Amino acid sequence: AQKVTQAQTEISVVEKEDVTLDCVYETRDTTYYLFWYKQPPSGELVFLIRRNSFDEQNEISGRYSWNFQKSTSSFNFTITASQVVDSAVYFCALSVDYGQNFVFGPGTRLSVLP
Amino acid sequence: SAVISQKPSRDICQRGTSLTIQCQVDSQVTMMFWYRQQPGQSLTLIATANQGSEATYESGFVIDKFPISRPNLTFSTLTVSNMSPEDSSIYLCSTTSGSFQETQYFGPGTRLLVL
Repeated sequence: AQKVTQAQTEISVVEKEDVTLDCVYETRDTTYYLFWYKQPPSGELVFLIRRNSFDEQNEISGRYSWNFQKSTSSFNFTITASQVVDSAVYFCALSVDYGQNFVFGPGTRLSVLP
Repeated sequence: SAVISQKPSRDICQRGTSLTIQCQVDSQVTMMFWYRQQPGQSLTLIATANQGSEATYESGFVIDKFPISRPNLTFSTLTVSNMSPEDSSIYLCSTTSGSFQETQYFGPGTRLLVL
């Protein structure tokens, strides 16, 4: 069975601080996909990034970066120089079935204070 | 990625009534998914809807309570039947599309409050 853990329930930072959101996953499958989604107060779920299990290359997109480490089964998300607009709930998700059977973590609520 | 819309965006309903939520995709897609997100919780998959076949429900969800239709490759509906306050949630539809079939893209969600 698959499982995703996001140990940080809530995080508060002051604007311009860097913040890292942790995600730890469990699966026995060798092929899997990891995702991060952002859910702002409006409620929609916004796709941020996908990573497959064969690609451990870290990725940077503007102020966002992701660190994928298979050795520790982690897929952490860092926001550099946080902004108020980054305030949202962030979900990490895992899929072993190519588009199906997504397992979502419990989410981390990030509050960025001005 | 596909553009997904949902109607209504929010509603307040009385217990015992039913509400049908519509999900429209701007391109033809094979699979559509319906999720429930209870207040302060993560997403839980209700069912997978493929065109031309009955929806596949996850454990804990039944067709009588959450009937789903999938009349064509761009549209699906989810009905929440005989509602109770415990059904107050955000209901989201999603699909995979385009070049990245491993990724699910989500609609804006329907916020339901049952009094």
